[in-house]
Amino acid sequence: DAKTTQPPSMDCAEGRAANLPCNHSTISGNEYVYWYRQIHSQGPQYIIHGLKNNETNEMASLIITEDRKSSTLILPHATLRDTAVYYCIVRAGYGQNFVFGPGTRLSVLP
Amino acid sequence: NAGVTQTPKFQVLKTGQSMTLQCAQDMNHNSMYWYRQDPGMGLRLIYYSASEGTTDKGEVPNGYNVSRLNKREFSLRLESAAPSQTSVYFCATGRGSGIRNQPQHFGDGTRLSIL
Repeated sequence: DAKTTQPPSMDCAEGRAANLPCNHSTISGNEYVYWYRQIHSQGPQYIIHGLKNNETNEMASLIITEDRKSSTLILPHATLRDTAVYYCIVRAGYGQNFVFGPGTRLSVLP
Repeated sequence: NAGVTQTPKFQVLKTGQSMTLQCAQDMNHNSMYWYRQDPGMGLRLIYYSASEGTTDKGEVPNGYNVSRLNKREFSLRLESAAPSQTSVYFCATGRGSGIRNQPQHFGDGTRLSIL
């Protein structure tokens, strides 16, 4: 069963920030939030992950609410190449598996 | 996706034929995984190997077998292919077994059609 809820689709203008929300209200205290994306016909690409503090890397920023029940992935300056399906995942069970739901289809528009 | 190589990239089989999908990684990761992705759906775990010499079933293991040949290679075998196994198959690796906060890294997939 999916442990996260994401909007099925979003649009973003090229050059603007893309903010992708994710709800994970049943997250447990030691579970991490991961974000992946999948560009058409390619394998999923790791973006970022975090536990409770905000995280930033060269690709994106991850903002996790204080109660950890939701998070937002931020692509600061979206480009056409960021058009993809974005998956928010909470690590299931002991920690070996990633459960991928349907994700959010982000379309970056020129 | 540098580091995880899957072969072949495409394959068409007839019902009842067998084949092996190959996955090799040069990331020195301990854990390896096989997923399948059906149209419009997320990935589902078939089998995984937490470390060399061990394998375990995932969510959808029926009709598949795996072999962790060494640390670098993890193969997936279909003994008698069925149309329901038409899918895109992804191999992934992870740094350590039992380490909760490690991401997985994926190959570009094998597109398998069974007629």
